[in-house]
Amino acid sequence: DIQLTQSPSFLSASVGDRVTITCRASQGISTYLAWYQQKPGQAPKLLIYAASTLQRGVPSRFSASGSGTEFTLTISRLQPEDFATYYCQQLSSYPQTFGQGAKVEIK
Amino acid sequence: EVQLVESGGGVVQPGGSLRLSCAASGFTFDDFTMHWVRQTPGKGLEWVSLISWDGGSTDYEESVKGRFTISRDNSKNSLHLQMNGLRTEDTALYYCAKGFFYSESTTFVPGGMDVWGRGTTVTVSS
Repeated sequence: DIQLTQSPSFLSASVGDRVTITCRASQGISTYLAWYQQKPGQAPKLLIYAASTLQRGVPSRFSASGSGTEFTLTISRLQPEDFATYYCQQLSSYPQTFGQGAKVEIK
Repeated sequence: EVQLVESGGGVVQPGGSLRLSCAASGFTFDDFTMHWVRQTPGKGLEWVSLISWDGGSTDYEESVKGRFTISRDNSKNSLHLQMNGLRTEDTALYYCAKGFFYSESTTFVPGGMDVWGRGTTVTVSS
C-alpha cells in the first residue's frame, strides 16, 4: 500500500497567516492526489484534485502543487472558516489511502 | 440537491453482522462509482470499498476482504455494505461517497470523492 505522511500534523496559526501543509507519498503517484477539508462533525469536503486543480466553488486562497512523491497545500490568507483538519488522498492505486491529517487551529 | 444519506449503523457484538445502506439523490446515480470510507479517532480516514457504476467491479481494503460485501441497486439509487464477522477494529463512522472523475487526455481518471453523506456509526463491542 502507498503510505501518505502529512506534516505538520498540527499547526497553530492566526487569521491572515499563510499556511502550508506537506503530503509525502511512499512511492511516486504522479499527480493522482486529492486534498480534503474536514470540520468537526462534518464529512470531508473535496478541495483539490489532480494535485493542483481547485474543485468548483473552492476559494482561490487555496492552492496546491506537487507531483511524484511530494505535494503541498497552501492557504494564502487564513480565514476563520479555514480552521479545520486537512487530509491528502492518493488515487494512484488501491487502496486509495489517506494521510493522517493536519489540524489547523487558531493561535 | 445532491445528497447521500447513510443508515443501518448500530451496536453489534464481535462476530456479528450489519448492513449499511446509502440513499442517493440529486444526481444520476448509475453514472458513478461509489465508495465506503470509514473514520476513527485513532486511524483517521480509511477507504473501505468501491463499486463501479454498473456493479461489475468491486474492490476492498485488505482487512475487510472476505467479510464485507458492497453492492448497489441502481433502480433504487441505493448503495449497500454487508458487514459480516465484525471485529472491534471495525468500530468507526462509515461514510458513503460518490466517486469523482476528471478527463485526462483520452480517458477519465479518479479525482477523489466529491459528495459525502453524514455517516452512520458502527460500534463493535461485547
